[in-house]
Amino acid sequence: DVKVTQSSRYLVKRTGEKVFLECVQDMDHENMFWYRQDPGLGLRLIYFSYDVKMKEKGDIPEGYSVSREKKERFSLILESASTNQTSMYLCASLANYGYTFGSGTRLTVV
Amino acid sequence: GDSVTQMEGPVTLSEEAFLTINCTYTATGYPSLFWYVQYPGEGLQLLLKATKADDKGSNKGFEATYRKETTSFHLEKGSVQVSDSAVYFCALSDRGNNDMRFGAGTRLTVKP
Repeated sequence: DVKVTQSSRYLVKRTGEKVFLECVQDMDHENMFWYRQDPGLGLRLIYFSYDVKMKEKGDIPEGYSVSREKKERFSLILESASTNQTSMYLCASLANYGYTFGSGTRLTVV
Repeated sequence: GDSVTQMEGPVTLSEEAFLTINCTYTATGYPSLFWYVQYPGEGLQLLLKATKADDKGSNKGFEATYRKETTSFHLEKGSVQVSDSAVYFCALSDRGNNDMRFGAGTRLTVKP
């Protein structure tokens, strides 16, 4: 089975901090995605990457950036965390049958 | 743009009841349709999928049929169990799975 691992399940950060969310997949998939999940809004795409060093903006990229230096790792960066970025963050990679998701990182910005 | 609309929850049912969660979509092309399930504290898992009109996806007793004429992909199960309590997401992908759109999610609670 494909495994997508997010490094932290829970994070608490202060406003203005730089935050790194890490995601690693073990199946050599080219396409990886970052979503945020908020009640009543479902999943919204922040950024995706279809290859090393390649990235594309999703629907809500403002306040975020990403890094894909190696194929297996896709990092989401909050340059200066704000309280409206408190959310559940989900990473996914694309297999033939669809997406495989990580367990999520619940980020609280105080 | 492409979008998915699913029935609002929460939905509360008794064990062995019949489940329907409605999902309709808007797409310019011929999308693939998916249902994902999220159990408490976990990420999303693919439940079932259908890639063309009239296809029926099924898994773990859940079924959904791709209806192009009504642009729908309703999720059904004949007899729910307590272990089916989760959040269910309908989704579509219109460009080779590279851009998946999700509905808002429907929380299902099944009581014994």
